Amino acid sequence: EAQVTQNPRYLITVTGKKLTVTCSQNMNHEYMSWYRQDPGLGLRQIYYSMNVEVTDKGDVPEGYKVSRKEKRNFPLILESPSPNQTSLYFCASSFRGRTTNEKLFFGSGTQLSVL
Amino acid sequence: ELKVEQNPLFLSMQEGKNYTIYCNYSTTSDRLYWYRQDPGKSLESLFVLLSNGAVKQEGRLMASLDTKARLSTLHITAAVHDLSATYFCAVDFTGNQFYFGTGTSLTVIP
Repeated sequence: EAQVTQNPRYLITVTGKKLTVTCSQNMNHEYMSWYRQDPGLGLRQIYYSMNVEVTDKGDVPEGYKVSRKEKRNFPLILESPSPNQTSLYFCASSFRGRTTNEKLFFGSGTQLSVL
Repeated sequence: ELKVEQNPLFLSMQEGKNYTIYCNYSTTSDRLYWYRQDPGKSLESLFVLLSNGAVKQEGRLMASLDTKARLSTLHITAAVHDLSATYFCAVDFTGNQFYFGTGTSLTVIP
C-alpha cells in the first residue's frame, strides 16, 4: 500500500531535549516536505527536499533541522525544543512535474507537546 | 508577501444546499491544490489545478482556477453530511514551496 509513515503519533517532551520525528515513504517520490499545523494558521511549511541530499528552508524553518540521506526517508530534528514548537506536524511527499500526480501524500501526523 | 487567503473560515450549511469556498492568493501562480481534512485525521488530496481556466469535478465538489484574478473556488453542490470537514487550498508559488490557506471548516446540517 502506498503510504507516508510518520512516527511517533504522539510525543511529549521537555524543553531542550533533542528529538527526531521520522518520516518514510514507499512511493519513490523525489519531493518530501514537513509542515506544522496550528489553529487559525493553517499549515506552514518548515523544510522541503527536492531529492537526496537536496534540502531547503520553507516558511518557518527556525529551530528545526532535516536530512535526506536516502530517497525514502526525511526525518525532522528538533535539537533544542521549546514550548512554541508545540504543534501538529505532518510529513508529505509527491512526484513533481506539472501533472496531476504531483499532489501531496500526507503522513498521519505527529502531535508534539513541549513542556 | 506570499499569502493565501480562504473564506469563509467557518461554514454551516443545510443538506441539499449549494455553496462556494473562495481561495485568493497574493502573487502569480498556476499551481493550486485543494485538500480535505477530517477531524483528527491527516489531509487528503481533492484536486490539482495546473492552468488558467482549469476545472475539476469529483462528485458534489467542483474546483476551478482563474490565474488572472488569482482566485480558485471550491463549489459544493447539494451538500450532504459526509462533506463535513475542513478544506484547505494550497498554492505553489516557486515550484517547490507550498503555502496553505487557513482552512474552511464546513459543517453540513441535516
